[in-house]
Amino acid sequence: GAGVSQTPSNKVTEKGKYVELRCDPISGHTALYWYRQSLGQGPEFLIYFQGTGAADDSGLPNDRFFAVRPEGSVSTLKIQRTERGDSAVYLCASRSGRSGANVLTFGAGSRLTVL
Amino acid sequence: GENVEQHPSTLSVQEGDSAVIKCTYSDSASNYFPWYKQELGKRPQLIIDIRSNVGEKKDQRIAVTLNKTAKHFSLHITETQPEDSAVYFCAADDYNQGGKLIFGQGTELSVKP
Repeated sequence: GAGVSQTPSNKVTEKGKYVELRCDPISGHTALYWYRQSLGQGPEFLIYFQGTGAADDSGLPNDRFFAVRPEGSVSTLKIQRTERGDSAVYLCASRSGRSGANVLTFGAGSRLTVL
Repeated sequence: GENVEQHPSTLSVQEGDSAVIKCTYSDSASNYFPWYKQELGKRPQLIIDIRSNVGEKKDQRIAVTLNKTAKHFSLHITETQPEDSAVYFCAADDYNQGGKLIFGQGTELSVKP
């Protein structure tokens, strides 16, 4: 697509539930990133993909968080047994992956609220 | 891994004045330094970026300077306008290594008319 698309834009869930957040990157972008942004903070790196594989998942806070990108395009961030501290805006971003093409373009984010 | 520190956390200027935001980074391998502007409730948007092979880059009222020896870079906004009010984030990565962009904590800029 023309931009990075994220769904849902807002998600309210109860503590202990499972949630999935979806990201559709810019068409042709091979690199896809997930960040988490809490109020008043900068985006915090979670994981990034080159193609289908997770190139770096060092930012995932614990094993309740998992992300996939099975066909190298759309990605899903999965959070199990949600906790109130997981409440944040989850931002997805993509870049082309070509050498020298550095610009990271963000989606509008998915606001997760855990009650 | 990379760590990016950003100062100040808040900055208030009078319309027409200049604003300067400073960042330091820790990984000497970093070679790409973008700045993003984020308005309330919106996504971060790139406003300017610089690569490590240059020391300064300008785009109209916005400029960025980079000192690789000291590992710091700065954003300069001249002739500020109320619409410049937003949160600004610096970031750094080593793109040649398939880098992950690491962000600073942000600076909330307020331009008073």
